[in-house]
Amino acid sequence: GAGVSQSPRYKVAKRGQDVALRCDPISGHVSLFWYQQALGQGPEFLTYFQNEAQLDKSGLPSDRFFAERPEGSVSTLKIQRTQQEDSAVYLCASSPPPWTGDLMNTEAFFGQGTRLTVV
Amino acid sequence: DAKTTQPTSMDCAEGRAANLPCNHSTISGNEYVYWYRQIHSQGPQYIIHGLKNNETNEMASLIITEDRKSSTLILPHATLRDTAVYYCIVRVAYNTDKLIFGTGTRLQVFP
Repeated sequence: GAGVSQSPRYKVAKRGQDVALRCDPISGHVSLFWYQQALGQGPEFLTYFQNEAQLDKSGLPSDRFFAERPEGSVSTLKIQRTQQEDSAVYLCASSPPPWTGDLMNTEAFFGQGTRLTVV
Repeated sequence: DAKTTQPTSMDCAEGRAANLPCNHSTISGNEYVYWYRQIHSQGPQYIIHGLKNNETNEMASLIITEDRKSSTLILPHATLRDTAVYYCIVRVAYNTDKLIFGTGTRLQVFP
């Protein structure tokens, strides 16, 4: 596709329910990031993958949050036993390899996000 | 924590230049200044980045002071579609590096 695709676009979950959020990055992008954005705040980093390897998960708020990217393309962010404070927009971003010929690639491309509401 | 400070909000008349300031007094020598913007209900969008020289592209211009402790993003002819939250971020240039967003500047362009 032309851009980063996230699904579902909106998700309402009952407290205690498990949810899975999907991210389809731009084809060929090796880096993939997940961010959490609370209402009125800037996005906050959750985790980072380079291909299938999860190199940084320092931003995951608790062990209820789990992310995977088993084949180095599509990624899933899973939240177990959701709580009301998990309500937020979850953004996925991907980046191409660092270099394309002599051109350094530095831009991250974001999806539209999944708005999760826990009731 | 974000390494930048920005005004919370700004207004600009349509057709006029919008000048968005950013302070980054603790920037390191290998860190670039990046600007992203986020239009309502969309993901952030890259605008421009620079190290120490002024930069210009089809979207905006970036003016970085000589001491690199502050910068200004300039939208030369603001339109209503430029209404968004603008984030100033400092980071090394590797696209394997995460972005650390602050709360940004909410720019309102009015007719």
